[in-house]
Amino acid sequence: EAQVTQNPRYLITVTGKKLTVTCSQNMNHEYMSWYRQDPGLGLRQIYYSMNVEVTDKGDVPEGYKVSRKEKRNFPLILESPSPNQTSLYFCASSGGPGRAGYTFGSGTRLTVV
Amino acid sequence: AQKITQTQPGMFVQEKEAVTLDCTYDTSDQSYGLFWYKQPSSGEMIFLIYQGSYDEQNATEGRYSLNFQKARKSANLVISASQLGDSAMYFCAMRGIIQGAQKLVFGQGTRLTINP
Repeated sequence: EAQVTQNPRYLITVTGKKLTVTCSQNMNHEYMSWYRQDPGLGLRQIYYSMNVEVTDKGDVPEGYKVSRKEKRNFPLILESPSPNQTSLYFCASSGGPGRAGYTFGSGTRLTVV
Repeated sequence: AQKITQTQPGMFVQEKEAVTLDCTYDTSDQSYGLFWYKQPSSGEMIFLIYQGSYDEQNATEGRYSLNFQKARKSANLVISASQLGDSAMYFCAMRGIIQGAQKLVFGQGTRLTINP
């Protein structure tokens, strides 16, 4: 089954404790993105990647890091999480522009206390 | 820059009625795609329908249709014969085809509630 798998689904952590949210896709997609969803703000892009070793900042990159060492994986790293990073996070992938939309993972609900 | 505006934070509709969710957009790109996603209370993002800027006909997918008015820069989602399972958050989004292909730009969403 074609899918984007992100883990964990739920995470509660403390301020300053480094964490990684994993994302993997099995569709050989070039484009991958991370979004965060906050009430009233819709989904905002954190980082994106257009291929292996090619990553760039989205609209809200502060406090996050990413890497794309393999085509299928695109982890999101929070080096020192803060309470304002409490949010619902989505990883998404796409095979290209045009009619190809983005396939989303199931989401990770992160709470930083 | 691309921008999506959804002006209806919430809508309440009786079951079996048709419902229209509004979406307007702004872009300087000539080639772009418009998407609608559904987010039920479980949280996942479900793709519903796509409209390309050069598509001559409005897109349809089962009970979903997209009322695309390019000159007005609007891309409203129409759900016919609404069902209780349609209760969810709905997001309009756009993506450039030549430029801006690296991201989807989302609106703030509309929460649709279907009443029995």
